Amino acid sequence: DAGVIQSPRHEVTEMGQEVTLRCKPISGHDYLFWYRQTMMRGLELLIYFNNNVPIDDSGMPEDRFSAKMPNASFSTLKIQPSEPRDSAVYFCASSPTSGNQPQHFGDGTRLSIL
Amino acid sequence: DAKTTQPNSMESNEEEPVHLPCNHSTISGTDYIHWYRQLPSQGPEYVIHGLTSNVNNRMASLAIAEDRKSSTLILHRATLRDAAVYYCILAFSGNTPLVFGKGTRLSVIA
Repeated sequence: DAGVIQSPRHEVTEMGQEVTLRCKPISGHDYLFWYRQTMMRGLELLIYFNNNVPIDDSGMPEDRFSAKMPNASFSTLKIQPSEPRDSAVYFCASSPTSGNQPQHFGDGTRLSIL
Repeated sequence: DAKTTQPNSMESNEEEPVHLPCNHSTISGTDYIHWYRQLPSQGPEYVIHGLTSNVNNRMASLAIAEDRKSSTLILHRATLRDAAVYYCILAFSGNTPLVFGKGTRLSVIA
């Protein structure tokens, strides 16, 4: 079975540029989560969706960050404009609605803003 | 959010059992105890979860104290591949956003 697929795996760009991170959840999973990992703050939730609807975006750092889920098989996290402090590893995870099932994580996108 | 307390690091010899402790004295009645681990350069990976009874799966065992204020993840025979950061997390379900602490960094010595 294909797991959660994230792209790109690595992204290096200059400050001020727009960055778009992509995630394909596991088919049939109704929940999708975006997390960010930094050395200083560890792993923290940015936003999560249920049935393509954002449920909680209180973890989104500021207006420069936006996330969408146009359909059940695709989500994007966009940063515009990007800043060096946005450098981190961004993880996407998905989980099904039924039962107390765990979250499945992708391998992450390592983002470096110069 | 209910918090968990774990040792920063632990070390084990290969092929030996490993007991990773977690304290969660403020756990609520509906909180499940979840364990995830993160291998180097990978996303977190689910290990096991439980509510009140001890649980076993192919990866590990979870021993939960009777008062549920602490739990222990047991790796029966540590391998080099088990070297990772192990996170103990309280959550109502897998659909609940996970709150990660610092976890326990497990080193396995050959």
